[in-house]
Amino acid sequence: GAVVSQHPSWVICKSGTSVKIECRSLDFQATTMFWYRQFPKQSLMLMATSNEGSKATYEQGVEKDKFLINHASLTLSTLTVTSAHPEDSSFYICSARDDGAAWSGANVLTFGAGSRLTVL
Amino acid sequence: QKEVEQNSGPLSVPEGAIASLNCTYSDRVSQSFFWYRQYSGKSPELIMSIYSNGDKEDGRFTAQLNKASQYVSLLIRDSQPSDSATYLCAVSGYSSASKIIFGSGTRLSIRP
Repeated sequence: GAVVSQHPSWVICKSGTSVKIECRSLDFQATTMFWYRQFPKQSLMLMATSNEGSKATYEQGVEKDKFLINHASLTLSTLTVTSAHPEDSSFYICSARDDGAAWSGANVLTFGAGSRLTVL
Repeated sequence: QKEVEQNSGPLSVPEGAIASLNCTYSDRVSQSFFWYRQYSGKSPELIMSIYSNGDKEDGRFTAQLNKASQYVSLLIRDSQPSDSATYLCAVSGYSSASKIIFGSGTRLSIRP
């Protein structure tokens, strides 16, 4: 089945530094990937839609200059948390939609394992 | 009004019984519906997808969709302790570019 690799799985950094998280579709191509954030005991909140070869589409309230998204190929999207602060500590999860899905109505997402960010 | 609503629970069900999870959504043009299971500290995994009205069965899981009532449910038969998790309902439009919106999840606990 479809597999999405996300890493690092956890990272601890100092306040003010930047952290990059990678999301790779291993056995399929994904023009569209999604980045979610999840705080403890809360649901997934969509941060942005990553589109290969074009700018990401950010959800309302998400700072695009703080959360930089690059989708340079059909199998790789990266999220960079710039100048991280303790309030950015969260579980970041990427997901990808298989371009080769049989029909557009499928819209099935495959999730990466997530990256737990702790900012000290 | 939230786009996708679920009872947060916790829902406690005895082992071997049927667990019933419910979800309502607000966007009438939604076409794709999903149930994901998420264990604590892990990312979600797809349990079921359903696209047309009626029931869809897969092993111990049955998804039910009623577009007129904007309601989707998940039944888990013969509940096992390993089913204890948070279940996320997700809804999407028809287009492959549509966003998938998640509910806040229902925490299910199966008691031995």
